[in-house]
Amino acid sequence: DTGVSQDPRHKITKRGQNVTFRCDPISEHNRLYWYRQTLGQGPEFLTYFQNEAQLEKSRLLSDRFSAERPKGSFSTLEIQRTEQGDSAMYLCASSLTGSKGGGYTFGSGTRLTVV
Amino acid sequence: GNSVTQMEGPVTLSEEAFLTINCTYTATGYPSLFWYVQYPGEGLQLLLKATKADDKGSNKGFEATYRKETTSFHLEKGSVQVSDSAVYFCALSLSNSNSGYALNFGKGTSLLVTP
Repeated sequence: DTGVSQDPRHKITKRGQNVTFRCDPISEHNRLYWYRQTLGQGPEFLTYFQNEAQLEKSRLLSDRFSAERPKGSFSTLEIQRTEQGDSAMYLCASSLTGSKGGGYTFGSGTRLTVV
Repeated sequence: GNSVTQMEGPVTLSEEAFLTINCTYTATGYPSLFWYVQYPGEGLQLLLKATKADDKGSNKGFEATYRKETTSFHLEKGSVQVSDSAVYFCALSLSNSNSGYALNFGKGTSLLVTP
């Protein structure tokens, strides 16, 4: 297992286009988190899955954002009708149930630039 | 709400200097506290953690003590190396049945160590 993988590493898109990112967590981890990190800020929580169930969505996650985790394995994060304010690094992390934050493994992120 | 405040950077030190990066928190409840490090081009990595008051987390020469009375978790290292140059994030997590153990991050402190 090579850790948490995110694809693509970089994405440049025109305003108004839809984009989709993929995260492959560590195979035995049942929890999966998405975070967003803008320049000069710490990561901000977006959403969380326990297996295939999406248990919480931050208010940061507008209705243009949707995330899925079919079969409790990989996850996708889709942004519809992208805006310039969506430009950020999107981070995925996975952990086992009971890990109090210290058991997270983060991916290297997908950097989105909306032009 | 729950939040983390850490000292602003960038911090520039000479090799072998003493490092302190201040971190204070606000939380409803009893959080676990963490320091994460992000090296250039890499994902976030857990540096150390403490899960209850007066615990000391340590790793790679770095230390931080969970101080409930001052709501602080300052990061220290006695003698920094050039390889310690990175961005350091203080974070907290609270048990929450909805968000698992989602992390609240500070804005990060950039450290540059010069030879």
